[in-house]
Amino acid sequence: DVKVTQSSRYLVKRTGEKVFLECVQDMDHENMFWYRQDPGLGLRLIYFSYDVKMKEKGDIPEGYSVSREKKERFSLILESASTNQTSMYLCASSDGQGAYNEQFFGPGTRLTVL
Amino acid sequence: SQKIEQNSEALNIQEGKTATLTCNYTNYSPAYLQWYRQDPGRGPVFLLLIRENEKEKRKERLKVTFDTTLKQSLFHITASQPADSATYLCALGRGGGSYIPTFGRGTSLIVHP
Repeated sequence: DVKVTQSSRYLVKRTGEKVFLECVQDMDHENMFWYRQDPGLGLRLIYFSYDVKMKEKGDIPEGYSVSREKKERFSLILESASTNQTSMYLCASSDGQGAYNEQFFGPGTRLTVL
Repeated sequence: SQKIEQNSEALNIQEGKTATLTCNYTNYSPAYLQWYRQDPGRGPVFLLLIRENEKEKRKERLKVTFDTTLKQSLFHITASQPADSATYLCALGRGGGSYIPTFGRGTSLIVHP
C-alpha cells in the first residue's frame, strides 16, 4: 500500500512565524504535490515537484516555498505565516511512469494561523 | 478558461437507492477522468479512472460513465449505504506527459438509513 504521511495533523502558529510542513511517501514516486483545500474553493495546487531538487509553481504559490532534497520527502514552507493561510494542507504523490497519474494523498494538516 | 463543475449542493438519498453524481466540464479535452472519495478531515482516496475512449467502467457497486460529446461524467453508487456518505471529487487529466489532474470542488453525498 502506498503511504503518504504528513508531519502533523493539526498545527497552530502565530502570524509572522516560519512554518514547515513535511510530507513523506514510501512508494518511490517521482511526482509530489502540495495543495490547500478551503470550503467552497476545492483543491488548489500550490507547488509540485517531478524530481529531486526540481519544483514548479502551481496556481497559488504566493507566500509559499518548497524543498525537495530527497525523492521521498517534499516540504512546504510558509516564510511568514498570515491568517489567510489558515487552511487544510494536503500532500500527494504520483508515479511519474504512470499514464493516468492516480494521486495518493496524505491525511492532511489543518493549519491555524492566529 | 477550463471549468469543472460538480453540484455544490449535497445529494441526500435513502439507503438502498442508487446515488448519481455529475461532473461537467468546459474548455477541456481530457484524456481521462478520475473519481476520488474524501471523508471529513481526510485526504481524497482514488476510486476509479475512465479513459476518453471508454464509455463505462465498473468496480463493485460503483459505475462511471464518460460522455466526451456531452462533456460529462456520471458516477453511480448502487445499493447505497450510510457508509458511502462522503464528498466525491472528479479530476480530469490531459495525459500525454501532463501528470497533474485538475480537480472539481466535489459533491457531498449523504445516505440516510
